[in-house]
Parts: sequence; C-alpha cells; structure tokens
Amino acid sequence: QQQVKQSPQSLIVQKGGISIINCAYENTAFDYFPWYQQFPGKGPALLIAIRPDVSEKKEGRFTISFNKSAKQFSLHIMDSQPGDSATYFCAAHHNTNAGKSTFGDGTTLTVKP
Amino acid sequence: DAGITQSPRYKITETGRQVTLMCHQTWSHSYMFWYRQDLGHGLRLIYYSAAADITDKGEVPDGYVVSRSKTENFPLTLESATRSQTSVYFCASSELQGGTGELFFGEGSRLTVL
Repeated sequence: QQQVKQSPQSLIVQKGGISIINCAYENTAFDYFPWYQQFPGKGPALLIAIRPDVSEKKEGRFTISFNKSAKQFSLHIMDSQPGDSATYFCAAHHNTNAGKSTFGDGTTLTVKP
Repeated sequence: DAGITQSPRYKITETGRQVTLMCHQTWSHSYMFWYRQDLGHGLRLIYYSAAADITDKGEVPDGYVVSRSKTENFPLTLESATRSQTSVYFCASSELQGGTGELFFGEGSRLTVL
C-alpha cells in the first residue's frame, strides 16, 4: 500500500510555463510535507516544505498548495527554466514515526528552451 | 567540509560477494537512513537509526545489514549481493529534536551486481 502517490511520472514544459506536480497521501498523522529536487548524479535536496496548518507556501518561483481535507498537495513552478530540469520527489513525514519519511515515486521534469 | 559523504561512489561486484557501503556525517545528527533509488520506485527506506547502537528495519530490509557504533557512521552491508540489489543507494541524516525532519542526503553510491 503506497502511502504517497505522485503524478505525473514525467512532465515536459516550455520555458516560461508553469510546471505542476501533484501528490496525495493517506495517513492523516503526517505533519510535514517536503519537496525534494534531484539533479542527475546528485542526492536529493530539500526544495520547499509545508506543514498542514497552512494552505500555501511560496518561495520565489516555487509554491506548495496544500488541501488537508482532500489529503493532497502540489508543487507549482512558475516561469519554469531549463535549470529547473530535474527529478522532483514529494514526501510525507511525521515525528511520531521515528523520523521516517515516505516518498512519492518522483517526477522527471524537462523544461525546453 | 561538513555534510554527508558516501563511499564508494561507484562499485561493481559479482553475485554472492559481500559489499559494504560507507556513510559518514559531520553534523552529529541523531537520525541516519539508507534509501535505495530505482526507476519507477522512487526512494525506498532500507534501514534507519535513531542513535548509536539503535537501528531498525525500513520498507525493504531483506539482504542488508547495518550497524551504528558511532553517531557519525552508518555503514550498509550486502552480505551476499544479488542482481536485484543493483541500485543507487543514498544515505541521509536528520535531526528531529528541534529540527523539521528535513533529510540531508549524500551524493549516492551506484552499485552494479553482475
């Protein structure tokens, strides 16, 4: 049973466009929802994160939208750039679960110039 | 430099051999994790450790052994490697007490089992 479902698996966007990646979770005990960005040959790195007491968090061109009742959250990348081309993972975490994070399967984003 | 270092970065071995992947962190984070990354499966947790001498199984622990005698080191051993263990392995650390749960990853160890 997959606790975090991520879609789409891959995404191609033109430069300047909006990239949207969606995730859905099942366990209501999750209390921290990060997005990680991974470039080829590198480890994932935290991009942006949100807690369930807010519905939106914005950092520069990156925004997380969070819908607690629907148990869904999404990453929006505005004005997408070729340098944003990477794999993006959503994750869900709760401190009562020994610090373990559950990851989505990842989305490979390609931004065409 | 501070951070997480993994070694080796690349390893080719044969079926049945024992392989150890090393992980060292300089932050003194309490928690350390081993994930494997496979196409179509994202990141799957193999083992994790809450502190020195405390380890526990994750989602896919079969065929792997871990130890944590020191806070900064968390080696992962494949006792008898199989082809299905061909993967990219990531070590990560986090500090829950007073922290957010953010994971800090190493650069990965790419293992090929022939």
